[in-house]
Amino acid sequence: SQTIHQWPATLVQPVGSPLSLECTVEGTSNPNLYWYRQAAGRGLQLLFYSVGIGQISSEVPQNLSASRPQDRQFILSSKKLLLSDSGFYLCAWMGSPREQFFGPGTRLTVL
Amino acid sequence: KQEVTQIPAALSVPEGENLVLNCSFTDSAIYNLQWFRQDPGKGLTSLLLIQSSQREQTSGRLNASLDKSSGRSTLYIAASQPGDSATYLCAVVGNNDMRFGAGTRLTVKP
Repeated sequence: SQTIHQWPATLVQPVGSPLSLECTVEGTSNPNLYWYRQAAGRGLQLLFYSVGIGQISSEVPQNLSASRPQDRQFILSSKKLLLSDSGFYLCAWMGSPREQFFGPGTRLTVL
Repeated sequence: KQEVTQIPAALSVPEGENLVLNCSFTDSAIYNLQWFRQDPGKGLTSLLLIQSSQREQTSGRLNASLDKSSGRSTLYIAASQPGDSATYLCAVVGNNDMRFGAGTRLTVKP
């Protein structure tokens, strides 16, 4: 069966510091991968998706970037965090028939 | 651009009641519609997936329907229990992405 991991689970970072969140998927190959952000009291916003290694599509202009160095690894990064980057970050993969499965999420607080 | 709306935003019911959560979407050219449950501080758990060719799906006390032509889906929960308390999200699957509603926060009181 497929499993999706995210770490860290929680993170508190100062404004201006770098960020790296990691997502890995087990039990599947060449999955479509997604990064979402959920701000407090709001719905999920799609940030990036990837259909393969090195292929990244960005949904909205922002302070974040994503990379896919390996088939089952998806990384969300920032060079300098802003207060507005605080939120709950969720990674997901899409199986068949286009059903999405989510990781446990990372709670990011920028102070 | 696909927009997904969920009504109501919050709902509180006594234990044992049957209830309906609503989801509407603006573009009927969808592949699937998926319902999720999210507990506070947790990730999303998939409840039901309805493919575009289907009208409904059932799992235990949950039944989800889909009417593509009118851009609507409903999630029916029978005999609600306190353990059903959570936020319920619907999501519409397009070509390579998924658009979410803001969710309905359900509280089932013992």
